[in-house]
Amino acid sequence: SAVISQKPSRDICQRGTSLTIQCQVDSQVTMMFWYRQQPGQSLTLIATANQGSEATYESGFVIDKFPISRPNLTFSTLTVSNMSPEDSSIYLCSVGQLLNNEQFFGPGTRLTVL
Amino acid sequence: AQSVTQLDSQVPVFEEAPVELRCNYSSSVSVYLFWYVQYPNQGLQLLLKYLSGSTLVKGINGFEAEFNKSQTSFHLRKPSVHISDTAEYFCAVSGTQGGSEKLVFGKGTKLTVNP
Repeated sequence: SAVISQKPSRDICQRGTSLTIQCQVDSQVTMMFWYRQQPGQSLTLIATANQGSEATYESGFVIDKFPISRPNLTFSTLTVSNMSPEDSSIYLCSVGQLLNNEQFFGPGTRLTVL
Repeated sequence: AQSVTQLDSQVPVFEEAPVELRCNYSSSVSVYLFWYVQYPNQGLQLLLKYLSGSTLVKGINGFEAEFNKSQTSFHLRKPSVHISDTAEYFCAVSGTQGGSEKLVFGKGTKLTVNP
């Protein structure tokens, strides 16, 4: 199974600022996903990030608000831009493994926007 | 499009009692089904998955789930729970590319095991 780390693990930010979350995987993976888990809610997919191509965003999420980079097969970043209190959530990255049809999740980044 | 319904938002049980967490899905195509567990302040951990074959799937920590195609259900069961099973449990569905397809999650069931 893949080992995934995220930085930062948590942060408290001011309204109007931006935060970049990093996701590092210990092996090369093709598919990486970014999810949001709002307080007391389930996980919602933000976008799918493949190396070498633009991220694909789900309905309700736009690149200007959540720009994503995927510079290589082991790393991705998600930026939460111009934050508001409604962006307070846990942001999780996951990677897909085609061999066993599973997704593995990072520990998440707990973001609080004041 | 796929969707997942977890019928119970909270399930309180006593230690050593059996438990069933219910999950129903909707899809027009074949799916893979998953149960994930999220302990407080932690990420998601895969409990078990159904891809094909036997409809009874055994996972970690003594959990099992049964895929019922006619009822479009994938209920999670454990015959005897422990305090340490207290967590949030998410049922999820994906298309049959598995690791390369997005997961659609249910709203989660909070299992609380009381002494």
